[in-house]
Amino acid sequence: GIQVEQSPPDLILQEGANSTLRCNFSDSVNNLQWFHQNPWGQLINLFYIPSGTKQNGRLSATTVATERYSLLYISSSQTTDSGVYFCAVEPDTGRRALTFGSGTRLQVQP
Amino acid sequence: DAGVTQSPTHLIKTRGQQVTLRCSPKSGHDTVSWYQQALGQGPQFIFQYYEEEERQRGNFPDRFSGHQFPNYSSELNVNALLLGDSALYLCASTLAFEPGEQYFGPGTRLTVT
Repeated sequence: GIQVEQSPPDLILQEGANSTLRCNFSDSVNNLQWFHQNPWGQLINLFYIPSGTKQNGRLSATTVATERYSLLYISSSQTTDSGVYFCAVEPDTGRRALTFGSGTRLQVQP
Repeated sequence: DAGVTQSPTHLIKTRGQQVTLRCSPKSGHDTVSWYQQALGQGPQFIFQYYEEEERQRGNFPDRFSGHQFPNYSSELNVNALLLGDSALYLCASTLAFEPGEQYFGPGTRLTVT
């Protein structure tokens, strides 16, 4: 099956710093989503981005489908950005099952 | 517009028992998928239901079974519980044949003792 690798696995930032999270995937995809998992386990949708670039406030994402990677940018980080960020993809098979990476655990310190 | 809902929030069971978890999809969605997330890992796909049938399945034993009702809500059943079944169980909903994002419920945290 498709493989999804996220890097770095852990990241510690000072408040106000910028960061880039990376997601590599091994095959063509129909869907790529970025999620933020809060301490209670809820997966919060950040971006639906099978290709191209999107921005939402301090967050932006870029997916280069031909090169099989996606980047999530967090600017001017805040303590509320702490948590685990997951990349998840749907292979180009017509079946809508997501394969998740192992996540990036972000800790933003005041 | 109600999002994906799941019940119960938490559950404690004993090894060998059976458990049923429930999920209601986001309004307008027809496909429900279930995921298991062990501590410190990403969610793993269990199975997916569409039109009341299992559409595809991940690498999980037959102890894991499910059902989808005519109103698109779904149940996940786990028989003969093992300690290793302790996890957060997440439900996601989407549309079967239209591109678009999937939405997740808040999850059910199952502890097997």
